[in-house]
Amino acid sequence: KAGVTQTPRYLIKTRGQQVTLSCSPISGHRSVSWYQQTPGQGLQFLFEYFSETQRNKGNFPGRFSGRQFSNSRSEMNVSTLELGDSALYLCASSLWDRGYEQYFGPGTRLTVT
Amino acid sequence: AQTVTQSQPEMSVQEAETVTLSCTYDTSESDYYLFWYKQPPSRQMILVIRQEAYKQQNATENRFSVNFQKAAKSFSLKISDSQLGDAAMYFCASTTSGTYKYIFGTGTRLKVLA
Repeated sequence: KAGVTQTPRYLIKTRGQQVTLSCSPISGHRSVSWYQQTPGQGLQFLFEYFSETQRNKGNFPGRFSGRQFSNSRSEMNVSTLELGDSALYLCASSLWDRGYEQYFGPGTRLTVT
Repeated sequence: AQTVTQSQPEMSVQEAETVTLSCTYDTSESDYYLFWYKQPPSRQMILVIRQEAYKQQNATENRFSVNFQKAAKSFSLKISDSQLGDAAMYFCASTTSGTYKYIFGTGTRLKVLA
């Protein structure tokens, strides 16, 4: 079974631009979560989607948004990029009803200049 | 609020020796799960071991085992017979039933010395 995939793997953007990251979960997984990983803050929870519905979100500004499609694929968008948004963005998928294990993708490395 | 604390930023262990990584957590809930994840350099995060809070028995997975002390809210990971491939960042995490949200610790970087 294919793992969680994320595209693109690397991205360089300029301050003020917006960016869209994509995540394809493991087949059959309907829950997708997003995390921001930085050396100083560790992994911070962004939001979780299940069957196209956002069930929880972290403490991030409204510039960070996401959505999930009917095939469980998910996208996250960051508008008006700031230097501090430079991070590794991780996506994880889960069945949630099987011990709450999450399976992570390789991440998208976003650099804002 | 749920919190997870890893107080050891970095640990070292000799190959074939045993090492224990510490994690403490805080939650007011009774139905929660605890995890250890491993993130090798430039590679994907993978699940090492999982513990359900309602189970008293400590989880084990081959060379990996946990010491789950519920009253003390402690969840340490023991790696036996350490191998070079165990070198990675290790994250402790928790989730509470119904929140659909993981809380991660800041991680412990494990170095394995040949």
